[in-house]
Amino acid sequence: DVKVTQSSRYLVKRTGEKVFLECVQDMDHENMFWYRQDPGLGLRLIYFSYDVKMKEKGDIPEGYSVSREKKERFSLILESASTNQTSMYLCASSLPGAKNIQYFGAGTRLSVL
Amino acid sequence: DQQVKQNSPSLSVQEGRISILNCDYTNSMFDYFLWYKKYPAEGPTFLISISSIKDKNEDGRFTVFLNKSAKHLSLHIVPSQPGDSAVYFCAARDLGTGANSKLTFGKGITLSVRP
Repeated sequence: DVKVTQSSRYLVKRTGEKVFLECVQDMDHENMFWYRQDPGLGLRLIYFSYDVKMKEKGDIPEGYSVSREKKERFSLILESASTNQTSMYLCASSLPGAKNIQYFGAGTRLSVL
Repeated sequence: DQQVKQNSPSLSVQEGRISILNCDYTNSMFDYFLWYKKYPAEGPTFLISISSIKDKNEDGRFTVFLNKSAKHLSLHIVPSQPGDSAVYFCAARDLGTGANSKLTFGKGITLSVRP
């Protein structure tokens, strides 16, 4: 089974803090993704990566950055957390190719106070 | 602009009956469609998919229908069970952005199956 592990289930941070959300997958997937899920807005793509050290902006990259130094690990960074970044963050991975099924982690519920 | 639309935010059905979840899309370059299911406090899990060259795909109690001319797909669950109560996301892939293209998700539909 594909396993995508997000390091924290719940996080509480202060406004202005630098926040790191970590994601690790164990299936040697090339592609990794970060989404946020908000009520009434569904899943919105923040950043994605097709390979080590590669990154692409998604639909809502403002206020975020990412790092992919190793194939299995994809980190989402909130440079200066703000209250509007309170959300559920979901990491996913997939193989390249036609099927493009993404496998998700359990999510990190981030609260910025 | 929302390219994948799930216009009904919620659906409630009786156990044993059929659940029909609808999804509309606007991008004619979408060539592959997926449904994901999400329980609270868990990540979405893949449920079923369909390629644009087909009009139906079936997997047990779950069937997805695709009407390309109407840019509409639907997920049928028969018979519905209380354990099917979850949020269902429709997602689509844009062929025009390459083999590694990202998915575009709808806002989700909350399905409640009453015992």
